[in-house]
Amino acid sequence: TQLLEQSPQFLSIQEGENLTVYCNSSSVFSSLQWYRQEPGEGPVLLVTVVTGGEVKKLKRLTFQFGDARKDSSLHITAAQPGDTGLYLCAGSNDNQGGKLIFGQGTELSVKP
Amino acid sequence: KAGVTQTPRYLIKTRGQQVTLSCSPISGHRSVSWYQQTPGQGLQFLFEYFSETQRNKGNFPGRFSGRQFSNSRSEMNVSTLELGDSALYLCASSRDTRGYTFGSGTRLTVV
Repeated sequence: TQLLEQSPQFLSIQEGENLTVYCNSSSVFSSLQWYRQEPGEGPVLLVTVVTGGEVKKLKRLTFQFGDARKDSSLHITAAQPGDTGLYLCAGSNDNQGGKLIFGQGTELSVKP
Repeated sequence: KAGVTQTPRYLIKTRGQQVTLSCSPISGHRSVSWYQQTPGQGLQFLFEYFSETQRNKGNFPGRFSGRQFSNSRSEMNVSTLELGDSALYLCASSRDTRGYTFGSGTRLTVV
């Protein structure tokens, strides 16, 4: 059974601080996706990484896929209150169609 | 373009009853997946349909079932509801496996 372990589970920081969220597995994934979810809504896709070692940037967010395609990280620079939410990593395999394996999520709170 | 639409948004049912949830995917998306989200277990995969065929199934009991219609709309059904079935049920649609668009979910409460 493939599992994704996400850490930390909870993060409370002040506006302007930097943070990193980790997503680790012992299994290889074809791709790793990061989502952000707000209360009462569905997750919204932020990025998909597919190549080992790949780095993608989305404004102040930097996503990295591990060389072995077993882990990923999300780094936020100068966090803002609008970044508050639940961040989820999810792995998929091309031979398993639409099945996503989700990490437990990181609840981020950015205080002004 | 219109997103993924799930109906109803909220539902309260009694133990032992059954419930049907509906999902309309983004136009052109043939893959529809369903997930259950609870505080304790997080997001767990229920099943996926592609061109009216179930392509993948998660580890849920047979009380959970689904189907997909020729227009890609999907329904999931839960029979003999239990208190533990209370959750946010999410539907996602996609063209491929590289990115999914989720609906806002149906919040099911079993009393």
